[in-house]
Amino acid sequence: GAVVSQHPSWVICKSGTSVKIECRSLDFQATTMFWYRQFPKQSLMLMATSNEGSKATYEQGVEKDKFLINHASLTLSTLTVTSAHPEDSSFYICSARAGTGGWEEQFFGPGTRLTVL
Amino acid sequence: GQNIDQPTEMTATEGAIVQINCTYQTSGFNGLFWYQQHAGEAPTFLSYNVLDGLEEKGRFSSFLSRSKGYSYLLLKELQMKDSASYLCAFMDSNYQLIWGAGTKLIIKP
Repeated sequence: GAVVSQHPSWVICKSGTSVKIECRSLDFQATTMFWYRQFPKQSLMLMATSNEGSKATYEQGVEKDKFLINHASLTLSTLTVTSAHPEDSSFYICSARAGTGGWEEQFFGPGTRLTVL
Repeated sequence: GQNIDQPTEMTATEGAIVQINCTYQTSGFNGLFWYQQHAGEAPTFLSYNVLDGLEEKGRFSSFLSRSKGYSYLLLKELQMKDSASYLCAFMDSNYQLIWGAGTKLIIKP
């Protein structure tokens, strides 16, 4: 299957700082990328959907000014957690899809574990 | 509205068979997915059903009944490495995945 990478795998930062997470599709062009957040023992929660070259669509309750998403190319999307706080500590996972509609398998990145002190 | 439900945790014995059920409600449906997720890792794709019936793939099979809003994942010849969370998700009319909370499967020797 297709490969999606995320960087960094884990990050520890101080409260109030910003953290950028990269998601790359390595062997296919991802027209759509998804950002999820997963708290311990809970399911995946979709944060936002981004299509290359357009603004991300955020799910209800997700602050777009706090979680900045940029999908500048067909192989790269970034999530920036601005002014991070301890409650933002979570497992952030991106996924990528090649098509724009119909059934297209989502390929997941390995995830980024963020710990905010 | 939309919702999806699966058991929180199940326990099974190595070498046995286990069935993980998933029920859902939605007005728009474009298929049901099963993913496996080991602790601390991202989900990996197991199966996709869009038509009624059973899809078999090695030790894993997935079943769908659209009229009943019901799916199950069947795991045969359980191995210790199958200990993981199993997530079901349906794709709605906007082609967005709606995820269940996951079923943690514990395999005992």
